[in-house]
Amino acid sequence: QVQLQESGPGLVKPSQTLSLTCTVSGGSISSGGYYWSWIRQHPGKGLEWIGYIYYSGSTYYNPSLKSRVTISVDTSKNQFSLKLSSVTAADTAVYYCARGHGELNYWGQGTLVTVSS
Amino acid sequence: DIQMTQSPSSLSASVGDRVTITCQASQDISNYLNWYQQKPGKAPKLLIYDASNLETGVPSRFSGSGSGTDFTFTISSLQPEDIATYYCQQYDNLPRTFGQGTKVEIK
Repeated sequence: QVQLQESGPGLVKPSQTLSLTCTVSGGSISSGGYYWSWIRQHPGKGLEWIGYIYYSGSTYYNPSLKSRVTISVDTSKNQFSLKLSSVTAADTAVYYCARGHGELNYWGQGTLVTVSS
Repeated sequence: DIQMTQSPSSLSASVGDRVTITCQASQDISNYLNWYQQKPGKAPKLLIYDASNLETGVPSRFSGSGSGTDFTFTISSLQPEDIATYYCQQYDNLPRTFGQGTKVEIK
């Protein structure tokens, strides 16, 4: 059974960079032809797709965030990561990692990141 | 971006009722549509993929239909454990986009 787990600081100061890691267990990130995604959910709101990465390193970013987002993969650690730069209070959200780029059939539990000084 | 519009935004129904949620895409997305269930404090869970295919392990009271721009999600007999918010999501185009969600409550 594939499991995903997000980790990273729960509090980030405005203008700094948000950094999260998703650790995948129960399967190799580089096998199966899967893509790996980041999604976020503002408090009490709907879901926003941030972007995804393939194990080879190819990426897609939502144009709404593209200038600030970097998604990377470390196959040796079976992890992929999200960096979001120049954060503001509007980036306060629960951040999820998930497997897939069409249907998302495995999700992490999510981690709340608050942007505040 | 393709806009996904769900209706209603919330509904209240009795246990055993048939519940229907609609999702309309702003352009033709063929059958590239998924449905998710999200319970409070939890990650979304995939229920239906490709508009009408039931994900493994999901109860058969859940179903989906539609193609093109108009889609329907149905719970044939609402159960107490179905209390959640349901989202549609298209994957015909980038960026992937979700509907705003439909909150289902028990009357």
